[in-house]
Amino acid sequence: KQEVTQIPAALSVPEGENLVLNCSFTDSAIYNLQWFRQDPGKGLTSLLLIQSSQREQTSGRLNASLDKSSGRSTLYIAASQPGDSATYLCAALDPGSARQLTFGSGTQLTVLP
Amino acid sequence: DTAVSQTPKYLVTQMGNDKSIKCEQNLGHDTMYWYKQDSKKFLKIMFSYNNKELIINETVPNRFSPKSPDKAHLNLHINSLELGDSAVYFCAITSTDTQYFGPGTRLTVL
Repeated sequence: KQEVTQIPAALSVPEGENLVLNCSFTDSAIYNLQWFRQDPGKGLTSLLLIQSSQREQTSGRLNASLDKSSGRSTLYIAASQPGDSATYLCAALDPGSARQLTFGSGTQLTVLP
Repeated sequence: DTAVSQTPKYLVTQMGNDKSIKCEQNLGHDTMYWYKQDSKKFLKIMFSYNNKELIINETVPNRFSPKSPDKAHLNLHINSLELGDSAVYFCAITSTDTQYFGPGTRLTVL
């Protein structure tokens, strides 16, 4: 059964700093790995999706990498801004027909102005 | 336009009651999901529903039942509510391997 872990659980950084969020998964047989953002009291917003055959994806100041062999993914945020403050969740999509997403517990990021 | 909508946004009810949460999607996709997010913010899948067939039931109590009156809707019915059912419930759909989530329904059982 897939298990997804995110470290750290919380992170506080000053504005402008570059940062890395970590995600690890136990079963490398994934269809893709997705990163989401959740603002307080809101739903989830999809940020980046990395297919199992890919190594990384970029969107603006965000870069996500995937290393299936080691069961790890990272989300790199460049030049952080207070508006980046949110909880970031990674999720592994299983390759079966059910397409089940297994989520990590999230990293709560606070960017201080 | 919002791909996935849920109603109500907040639901406060007494223990033992029966309640429903509605979910509607406007993308015409087949697979819809229900997730539960507990007080520790951990998201766990409850159901996925594809073409009127339940695909997954992750050890969810049978007090919970998804009902799909048509392709655009997957409603969550909960019978005999318990205190431990208090959580935020999210509906989601899959589109090109990405899941799109509704805004969530915060259920509080008193």
